[in-house]
Amino acid sequence: SQELEQSPQSLIVQEGKNLTINCTSSKTLYGLYWYKQKYGEGLIFLMMLQKGGEEKSHEKITAKLDEKKQQSSLHITASQPSHAGIYLCGADDNFNKFYFGSGTKLNVKP
Amino acid sequence: DAGVTQSPTHLIKTRGQQVTLRCSPISGHKSVSWYQQVLGQGPQFIFQYYEKEERGRGNFPDRFSARQFPNYSSELNVNALLLGDSALYLCASRAAPGRVNSPLHFGNGTRLTVT
Repeated sequence: SQELEQSPQSLIVQEGKNLTINCTSSKTLYGLYWYKQKYGEGLIFLMMLQKGGEEKSHEKITAKLDEKKQQSSLHITASQPSHAGIYLCGADDNFNKFYFGSGTKLNVKP
Repeated sequence: DAGVTQSPTHLIKTRGQQVTLRCSPISGHKSVSWYQQVLGQGPQFIFQYYEKEERGRGNFPDRFSARQFPNYSSELNVNALLLGDSALYLCASRAAPGRVNSPLHFGNGTRLTVT
């Protein structure tokens, strides 16, 4: 079965600092999705990556998928308190199932 | 346009009872999937439905069942509730399942507490 491992599990950064969250798959990824979740709420779609080497940006968040399509990173530049939350990577497998990583909890200190 | 809507938002049940959770997808989306999220973990896949048929099932016991209606809304049923079923239950819709450029869009979830 597909497994997604995220690191770090939690992160506390000072406002204005950059940070990176990693997502590693046990199998080749055919599509990798990044979501953000505020505590106890639904997930907000951030970005989707499909091609090896692909990179996408939205505001101060950049996501990349490596050439082998087994690892993705999410980079936040000049973090703000509004970036705080739980970041989750997710992917489809070959059997109509969707898997998530365990999440990275981000706190941004003003 | 309305997003994915789930009801109820909160629910308290007793062990052994049965519960039904409801989900309405984004208009035009034909696929609905359900997830269980316990505190501190990522969402766990329960079911995926597409065009009213079950297309995928996660590692959950038979106490969990679901269905999708002709208007593409969906219900998740859990029988014989256990304390361990306490979680946030999330519903997501997408235009079509599988490896296509079709992200999941989530509702705000139903918080189920079993006492």
